[in-house]
Amino acid sequence: AQKVTQAQTEISVVEKEDVTLDCVYETRDTTYYLFWYKQPPSGELVFLIRRNSFDEQNEISGRYSWNFQKSTSSFNFTITASQVVDSAVYFCALSEAGYGGATNKLIFGTGTLLAVQP
Amino acid sequence: GAVVSQHPSWVICKSGTSVKIECRSLDFQATTMFWYRQFPKQSLMLMATSNEGSKATYEQGVEKDKFLINHASLTLSTLTVTSAHPEDSSFYICSARVSAYSNQPQHFGDGTRLSIL
Repeated sequence: AQKVTQAQTEISVVEKEDVTLDCVYETRDTTYYLFWYKQPPSGELVFLIRRNSFDEQNEISGRYSWNFQKSTSSFNFTITASQVVDSAVYFCALSEAGYGGATNKLIFGTGTLLAVQP
Repeated sequence: GAVVSQHPSWVICKSGTSVKIECRSLDFQATTMFWYRQFPKQSLMLMATSNEGSKATYEQGVEKDKFLINHASLTLSTLTVTSAHPEDSSFYICSARVSAYSNQPQHFGDGTRLSIL
């Protein structure tokens, strides 16, 4: 069965600190996709990144970076020099590979609430 | 690109009322749309997957007659909560995917806060 674990329920940091959000997943599939979404207080989910299981290259986008390690089934997300606007709930999600809606649903973690204090 | 609009954003109504929520993909055609429910401080719970022109696939434990889903076009899916009761109060979020391939991200609407009195 597929499962996504975000062990950190809440994290509080002071502005300009670096912070890493952990994500550990379980799947029997050899091909799968990992995602990170941000949910600010307003409620909408914002897509941040997608990673294919066969691409372990780490990615950096501005202050955001992602570390994907298949050996430990982890897909961690780091925010460098955090800002108050980064305050949100961050969800890690997993999807099996395939075609056809019902079989390829997103499995979400429980989310990590990040609070960045000024 | 990939904008999903959800309407209404907030609904307050009396018990027994049926409520319809619309989900539209504004700048792309969505072969697959998803409906989620989210309780306060909890993760998203998938309710059903909706494919254009076919019946929705409901997750286990979700009442089909209670939560009616219609995906009549490639840009519109609706969720109707029939005879809503206070326990149906929740935050409902839809999402749409550009294609049926799972490597494509889901793009989410802003959500609908439903309060049943």
